[in-house]
Amino acid sequence: GENVEQHPSTLSVQEGDSAVIKCTYSDSASNYFPWYKQELGKGPQLIIDIRSNVGEKKDQRIAVTLNKTAKHFSLHITETQPEDSAVYFCAARPAGGTSYGKLTFGQGTILTVHP
Amino acid sequence: DSGVTQTPKHLITATGQRVTLRCSPRSGDLSVYWYQQSLDQGLQFLIQYYNGEERAKGNILERFSAQQFPDLHSELNLSSLELGDSALYFCASSPRPWRNTGELFFGEGSRLTVL
Repeated sequence: GENVEQHPSTLSVQEGDSAVIKCTYSDSASNYFPWYKQELGKGPQLIIDIRSNVGEKKDQRIAVTLNKTAKHFSLHITETQPEDSAVYFCAARPAGGTSYGKLTFGQGTILTVHP
Repeated sequence: DSGVTQTPKHLITATGQRVTLRCSPRSGDLSVYWYQQSLDQGLQFLIQYYNGEERAKGNILERFSAQQFPDLHSELNLSSLELGDSALYFCASSPRPWRNTGELFFGEGSRLTVL
């Protein structure tokens, strides 16, 4: 089955700096790669996603890049703010089948943004 | 607020017992997914139901079972509980397939503690 590795496990930055979180996946058939943000006491919430036919996607301060050949994808957050502090999860979903929700998640990155 | 409701929020029970976790998906969503989040295993997909039928299975133990009712709410039954079953159990839902962007909407979770 799919295996997703996520690094780093913790990341501490100053407000205004950029943050980068990287993930690798093992199943070359995976074609959908979402990123979820989980705040304390809440469930994960989708912040951005990318499909395998796209190399990069941006949404304001957040961007995701995908390298299918190397089987890795990254989350980039620019101009970080204290409210960006949370746990971030990458995930991968294999192609085919009928389950949109059968995601394999990485272990998570605890991001702390210091004012 | 994702629109997904989970009850109870917290549950403390003893080994060997049985518990039922309940989930109400977002209005109009036909798919319900159950995930387990623990410190050592991260977020693990357990099972998916679509309009009352089981659609996909993940790493769900035989001691666990789930169902989705005609009103689309779902229940996750955990029996013969062990200490290692202590975790956060998340329910997520997603829109009808032709509207599905891939996003899952997670509830706030049910925290199960087995003593």
